[in-house]
Amino acid sequence: SQKIEQNSEALNIQEGKTATLTCNYTNYSPAYLQWYRQDPGRGPVFLLLIRENEKEKRKERLKVTFDTTLKQSLFHITASQPADSATYLCARRFSGGYNKLIFGAGTRLAVHP
Amino acid sequence: DAGVTQSPTHLIKTRGQQVTLRCSPKSGHDTVSWYQQALGQGPQFIFQYYEEEERQRGNFPDRFSGHQFPNYSSELNVNALLLGDSALYLCASSLRGAQPQHFGDGTRLSIL
Repeated sequence: SQKIEQNSEALNIQEGKTATLTCNYTNYSPAYLQWYRQDPGRGPVFLLLIRENEKEKRKERLKVTFDTTLKQSLFHITASQPADSATYLCARRFSGGYNKLIFGAGTRLAVHP
Repeated sequence: DAGVTQSPTHLIKTRGQQVTLRCSPKSGHDTVSWYQQALGQGPQFIFQYYEEEERQRGNFPDRFSGHQFPNYSSELNVNALLLGDSALYLCASSLRGAQPQHFGDGTRLSIL
């Protein structure tokens, strides 16, 4: 089956450091992976999409990589701030049509001053 | 430019009852997907509507049904509610199924 696995343990880091979150997928490579941010009581907010043929994508302090050999995506936040504290969700498109997304359980990030 | 709006924000029901949740997609979007998110889990796909038809369905029983109206808004209906249906129900919209999807803030459904 097509699954997304994210580290369920919370990630605690110091302000100013780089946060790195991991997303592993099973089965064959999806056409793309997406990363979303979710704050408590709110819906997910889209951050970045990386396609299978892209190794790396950047947006301001965010960077995403896609390694089809390792079946893994890494999500980096550089110069992290307390405002970056949230749950980060990784999602893959379900191979088989339309744009059904399969989400991981998310990793909670806490950035401490 | 209004984003995805969902109503109500919170709802409390008892087992066996029926519930209807509503979603208005982001302006310009025509495709609506519904997701269920249990506490501490990622969203799980329920189904997707496009051109007023259910196009794809996740692994949810027939108690979950939906509808899309000509103005692209959508409803999610759940019959014979179970305690396990307690969750955050999210609506996401897009244009013709393109990525990314834009999510609303959800309806928090609690079953007593």
